[in-house]
Amino acid sequence: KNQVEQSPQSLIILEGKNCTLQCNYTVSPFSNLRWYKQDTGRGPVSLTIMTFSENTKSNGRYTATLDADTKQSSLHITASQLSDSASYICVVSAMGNAGNMLTFGGGTRLMVKP
Amino acid sequence: IAGITQAPTSQILAAGRRMTLRCTQDMRHNAMYWYRQDLGLGLRLIHYSNTAGTTGKGEVPDGYSVSRANTDDFPLTLASAVPSQTSVYFCASRGGNTEAFFGQGTRLTVV
Repeated sequence: KNQVEQSPQSLIILEGKNCTLQCNYTVSPFSNLRWYKQDTGRGPVSLTIMTFSENTKSNGRYTATLDADTKQSSLHITASQLSDSASYICVVSAMGNAGNMLTFGGGTRLMVKP
Repeated sequence: IAGITQAPTSQILAAGRRMTLRCTQDMRHNAMYWYRQDLGLGLRLIHYSNTAGTTGKGEVPDGYSVSRANTDDFPLTLASAVPSQTSVYFCASRGGNTEAFFGQGTRLTVV
């Protein structure tokens, strides 16, 4: 069964600090991995996509890494801001375009405090 | 309409009543999905549709039905609501292997 596990479940950091969120997956055959940000009361929004051949990708203060051998990804947030407070969801896509080919992690709830 | 729209944004429903959650997208995406999001459980797939005229069951389909008469619309129906269907429901669409675009969600409370 395809699974995506995220850690930690929740995290509290001070504004300006860095943090790293983890995602482990067992999805096959692997197509790509996306990190989504979900603000409270809103739908998830894509931050970055990682394909099999990519190791690192940045989007502003967000940097995602992917190790396809160990099936792990991380999302590093630099110089956190209050607006970074949200849930971050790791979503892994398997090959093909069938509707059940997206596997969601449970998310990490990040709170940035002043 | 820009992107994907859900209606209503929230609803309180008496148990046993029928309810249809609406979802419309204007991106001409072939694939559409319905998820429910519950605290501690993340997003779980209810039903999906790869293209107009076809639908499939997801992880938690019981008590829900969908239809896909055209590309743009993907309504989710609860035939007889039960309290365990209290949740936040998200509709999403995807074109090819691109990112999934999510609606703003519908918060449903069944009492």
